[in-house]
Amino acid sequence: DAGVIQSPRHEVTEMGQEVTLRCKPISGHNSLFWYRQTMMRGLELLIYFNNNVPIDDSGMPEDRFSAKMPNASFSTLKIQPSEPRDSAVYFCASSLDGSGGAGEQFFGPGTRLTVL
Amino acid sequence: GNSVTQMEGPVTLSEEAFLTINCTYTATGYPSLFWYVQYPGEGLQLLLKATKADDKGSNKGFEATYRKETTSFHLEKGSVQVSDSAVYFCALSGRTGKLIFGQGTTLQVKP
Repeated sequence: DAGVIQSPRHEVTEMGQEVTLRCKPISGHNSLFWYRQTMMRGLELLIYFNNNVPIDDSGMPEDRFSAKMPNASFSTLKIQPSEPRDSAVYFCASSLDGSGGAGEQFFGPGTRLTVL
Repeated sequence: GNSVTQMEGPVTLSEEAFLTINCTYTATGYPSLFWYVQYPGEGLQLLLKATKADDKGSNKGFEATYRKETTSFHLEKGSVQVSDSAVYFCALSGRTGKLIFGQGTTLQVKP
């Protein structure tokens, strides 16, 4: 298996531009997670989906952030408009959850976003 | 609510030294416990896990025992190598499917 695939790996953009990050989870996994990692705030869960449905988006910083999962093999995280404080590494992770709680999460390599 | 607390880093050790990274948790019910490792420039990957009290997870020479009485899951390794330099995250699972991560502990091993 190719693992979790994220694109792009690096993104440099200017303040005010729209940014779209993409994720392909591991085939057969039914949960997908978006995280943000910064030196100041560490690893933060932004949103997670189960069976393509958003379950918890309480970590999404503000309305400028949105995430979709149109099917089991693809998800996007969009920032519009972007701001310099959005600069971070964004990780996507997927897991196969049975009943009773979280299974192991498999992380992608991350997208390093720099907003100038 | 559920939470995880790790010892603050960075932890700097010489090669072949003994490693302990402390992790304590607060949780309702009986969560599973995990240690993840993040090597420079990479995503997190599972190092080991334990799903019930007194279970010991182990991998690559690392061990951690699920201690319900002390709500702890300390990570240990008898002899660290330079290649173990990374950031280590303790985490617990919730019933909702989320993982709750600690803040991470940076380990630096010097030759």
